[in-house]
Amino acid sequence: DIVMTQSPLSLPVSPGEPASISCRASQSLLHSNGYNYLDWFLQKPGQSPQLLIYLGSSRASGVPDRFSGSGSGTDFTLNISRVEAEDVGIYFCMQALQGWTFGQGTRVEIK
Amino acid sequence: QGQLVQSGAEVQKPGASVKLSCKASGYPFSRFGLFWIRQAPGQRPEWMGWFNGGSGRTTYSQNFQGRVTITIDRSASTGFLEVGSLRSEDTATYYCARGNIVVLPAADRKSYYYYYLDVWGKGTTVAVSS
Repeated sequence: DIVMTQSPLSLPVSPGEPASISCRASQSLLHSNGYNYLDWFLQKPGQSPQLLIYLGSSRASGVPDRFSGSGSGTDFTLNISRVEAEDVGIYFCMQALQGWTFGQGTRVEIK
Repeated sequence: QGQLVQSGAEVQKPGASVKLSCKASGYPFSRFGLFWIRQAPGQRPEWMGWFNGGSGRTTYSQNFQGRVTITIDRSASTGFLEVGSLRSEDTATYYCARGNIVVLPAADRKSYYYYYLDVWGKGTTVAVSS
């Protein structure tokens, strides 16, 4: 199984400040077709996960452009350019190359 | 846009089975994938299996092979997840999610299909306790 590891596990951020979450895979997520099989989700308190980014860097429909994804192979990053109060919750990365497995999550909170 | 409505909460005893439902609306159900993912309290989500609407094939995580069955009623745009031999560790929220499809252009001129989970149900809580 591909193991996904995120850091940090907790991230306090002031409103308007940037935030960055890292995700590392135990093996490369770069498919032979040239795409990285890595998605990002946000789970707000008491809600289902919601898709933010797929294929490493493609923003899902309706997702604000302050969210961006980057990286390739085994190392990926989710960036929030300016954190807003509505961005609090747990962020998960998920690999889709061999089955689907999630990282342990990063809790983002407002300072 | 699409919506997934899941069945209500369940309380089951160890060793029993449970069957959950997930009704889709607002999109052509048969053309998309349907995923089942569960999340134990305070834990990361865990993929259980999925139905490929294009091929009609169902694939299960090895962690649940033999204990989980996914079925589809196309006429009712509804998917079902049955989990047998329940144990306390199966206490979790069970989500269904739509697998939307993007066709990936590639240099080798082959067609690759990528499924991304863009619509989720609100989840069904299952508690297993004697």
